[in-house]
Amino acid sequence: QSVLTQPPSASGTPGQRVTITCSGSSSNIGAKAVSWYQQLPGTAPKLLIYNNDQRPSGVPDRFSGSKSGTSASLAISGLHSEDEADYYCAAWDDSLSAYVFGIGTKVTVL
Amino acid sequence: EVQLVESGGGLVQPGGSLRLSCAVSGFSFSDSWMTWVRQPPGKGLEWVANIKQDGSETYYVDSVKGRFTISRDNAHSLLLLHMKSLRIEDTAVYYCARSAWDSFDSWGQGTLVTVSS
Repeated sequence: QSVLTQPPSASGTPGQRVTITCSGSSSNIGAKAVSWYQQLPGTAPKLLIYNNDQRPSGVPDRFSGSKSGTSASLAISGLHSEDEADYYCAAWDDSLSAYVFGIGTKVTVL
Repeated sequence: EVQLVESGGGLVQPGGSLRLSCAVSGFSFSDSWMTWVRQPPGKGLEWVANIKQDGSETYYVDSVKGRFTISRDNAHSLLLLHMKSLRIEDTAVYYCARSAWDSFDSWGQGTLVTVSS
């Protein structure tokens, strides 16, 4: 059981919009920046979003992040087949003095 | 080009020790916080430890405190993880990553540590 709560799965058809939520508390998401990671099968994780809503160079603009209070969201607009992957949220937790990850959400493109 | 290359993984018996290394190139290692993250087979990501640029501050997940030690050699752009008293539940792929903007912006390919008798 993780400190950050994500749904274990999400799905959509090509072109659809998929949103993944990440719920935390005042000691992590409520106080610190959220980042999101994409992990394609058999590969290392890749940073998708940092500082709640910033995209590193090279990340398509159909990936967007947002944060409100103790929750954060990752949205994938115009879903592509290559977006089929596991997605993780993460944040520093002041109470634990540790980074925490969500359990990951497996996105399936139908 | 930013590169992080882990090494040192392998099979070790419960109670044993192992030292992981992460060789870094393509960015200023001595200016970067660095992190170890692990992933048990078929499971999610778990942050393990991180270390400040000059090594003066380190943080660990509770489950490895007292058993793992993160360190760095800035002269050789090397990140290390010394692991002792290994347990079966430490079995995982271990990734090193650069920390920036409260995130992990560059990752290695990972090295597998298997703790088994």
